[in-house]
Amino acid sequence: AQKVTQAQTEISVVEKEDVTLDCVYETRDTTYYLFWYKQPPSGELVFLIRRNSFDEQNEISGRYSWNFQKSTSSFNFTITASQVVDSAVYFCGWGNTPLVFGKGTRLSVIA
Amino acid sequence: NAGVTQTPKFQVLKTGQSMTLQCAQDMNHEYMSWYRQDPGMGLRLIHYSVGAGITDQGEVPNGYNVSRSTTEDFPLRLLSAAPSQTSVYFCASRAPSYGYTFGSGTRLTVV
Repeated sequence: AQKVTQAQTEISVVEKEDVTLDCVYETRDTTYYLFWYKQPPSGELVFLIRRNSFDEQNEISGRYSWNFQKSTSSFNFTITASQVVDSAVYFCGWGNTPLVFGKGTRLSVIA
Repeated sequence: NAGVTQTPKFQVLKTGQSMTLQCAQDMNHEYMSWYRQDPGMGLRLIHYSVGAGITDQGEVPNGYNVSRSTTEDFPLRLLSAAPSQTSVYFCASRAPSYGYTFGSGTRLTVV
């Protein structure tokens, strides 16, 4: 069965620190997608990125970057120069239809 | 374009009552899913659909029914509510080359 593990339950950092959220997945499929979502305190789920299994290029979007490594089955998410507004629960997901999520990492950025 | 609309936003049920959580999307997406979110458990898949007339079970389907008679609507039915079904429920839909768009959620309490 497909599985997504986010080993970090909670992380706390001081504003402007860099922080990496880990995501490890298990699958026997050769074609799949990986996702990251953000859930701020207001509760909505915000799509951040989708990556397919054939594209191992790292991606950078502003202060956000993603490191996809098939060799270690990992899809880690780094926030550079964290800000208080980054405080949220972050979910990593595997699949396409359906999409399976990890249990999430709660990030607290302290001013 | 309203995206994914869930109703109601809040609901309190008595044990044994039945109800339907509504989900509608106006983006002509084929793929739709229902998730429940519980503290420490992340987002768990209840049921999903790959198109009108086609549904399948997810990780935690017991106690819930779904149907997909139209592309737009994907209602979730609680047959006989139990306190264990107290949760926040999210509906989501997906376009073929994008991530899932989530509704704002329904907070359900079963007493």
